[in-house]
Amino acid sequence: DTAVSQTPKYLVTQMGNDKSIKCEQNLGHDTMYWYKQDSKKFLKIMFSYNNKELIINETVPNRFSPKSPDKAHLNLHINSLELGDSAVYFCASSQDSPNVFFGQGTRLTVV
Amino acid sequence: QQQVKQSPQSLIVQKGGIPIINCAYENTAFDYFPWYQQFPGKGPALLIAIRPDVSEKKEGRFTISFNKSAKQFSLHIMDSQPGDSATYFCAASMATGATNKLIFGTGTLLAVQP
Repeated sequence: DTAVSQTPKYLVTQMGNDKSIKCEQNLGHDTMYWYKQDSKKFLKIMFSYNNKELIINETVPNRFSPKSPDKAHLNLHINSLELGDSAVYFCASSQDSPNVFFGQGTRLTVV
Repeated sequence: QQQVKQSPQSLIVQKGGIPIINCAYENTAFDYFPWYQQFPGKGPALLIAIRPDVSEKKEGRFTISFNKSAKQFSLHIMDSQPGDSATYFCAASMATGATNKLIFGTGTLLAVQP
């Protein structure tokens, strides 16, 4: 029944590794997003996709690569992880409206 | 400027009190102003939102006041309850292509004491 679901919920990995976070929404929305929440709880948009097309790319290092296989899924792949990538990553979606619905988040810890 | 300034950073009220959280923006291209509530370990959840052509909106115990000329808006929580203890984020939205870009404030940690 979860509207926007992310996996995994927690991810602990070493510097230099490559990892992926998966996101799926069952709301039938055309638009999906990735947001990053840092240790001070500041939320910032990273990417947005509409019908699998990249719309927003907010000066994110190119180590971060989103991929949308279909409009219900938006995955985030991160290469060569750095300590500063530690944060909570939220997937979100919306449909013809500025109301954005967020998933539960993935807490990424890079050690 | 694409910033949204939010204050206070934290707030403690007694049960039944009316906490007020304030936000200010600069960019007049923003056309939608939502508030999100976030509990620990959860994602932000949309609470209430307003468009700039409306000065006030109420939904249950939550009210947004909007001052377009001052570029300020605020959230009031009537008859606050311990269950309202959470972090509250204001945001401003602008359409970007076929999507919407949310710019968030820095958050207010609210504690409602029983």
